[in-house]
Amino acid sequence: DVKVTQSSRYLVKRTGEKVFLECVQDMDHENMFWYRQDPGLGLRLIYFSYDVKMKEKGDIPEGYSVSREKKERFSLILESASTNQTSMYLCASSSLSGLGFGEQFFGPGTRLTVL
Amino acid sequence: QKEVEQDPGPLSVPEGAIVSLNCTYSNSAFQYFMWYRQYSRKGPELLMYTYSSGNKEDGRFTAQVDKSSKYISLFIRDSQPSDSATYLCAMSVNYGGSQGNLIFGKGTKLSVKP
Repeated sequence: DVKVTQSSRYLVKRTGEKVFLECVQDMDHENMFWYRQDPGLGLRLIYFSYDVKMKEKGDIPEGYSVSREKKERFSLILESASTNQTSMYLCASSSLSGLGFGEQFFGPGTRLTVL
Repeated sequence: QKEVEQDPGPLSVPEGAIVSLNCTYSNSAFQYFMWYRQYSRKGPELLMYTYSSGNKEDGRFTAQVDKSSKYISLFIRDSQPSDSATYLCAMSVNYGGSQGNLIFGKGTKLSVKP
């Protein structure tokens, strides 16, 4: 059974803290993605990576950075958390073959609250 | 104008009803069309995938794409309480790369009452 896991289901941080969200996939997928999901705004792409050490900005990269040192792991970093980064964060992965970016496998999400 | 428009609902139907979920879009370059289903407190999962225009059927689910009208639909026949979820449409210009990034609708929350 394919699996994408995220390090935490719920996280509470304070304004200004550095926050790390970790994502691991066990499907040997080349592509990995970070989204945030907000009511009324839907899913928005923050960053994606199509190979180790490669990264591309998505639609809303401001205030975020990412790291992909190993194929199976993709980390999202909030350098200095702010209250407007309170959101549900979803990680996804997809293969280069098959349906490409169209078939993304999502993790369960991390609900981040910044106080 | 947003690239992808989707009525957020909520939509409530009785068990056994036919459900119609829809999205409109503005970018005529979209070629790949997906429907994802998201249960409460879970990540989305791919339900249907269609390339270009036409219909695709999978069990009780039918996906339709009308590129001339820039309109896609998902039909659910004989709806079940287990179909209660949020349905997100998604589309992309390309198979991969930066043009392959999915543009999601906001999702429609569906509730099927027993």
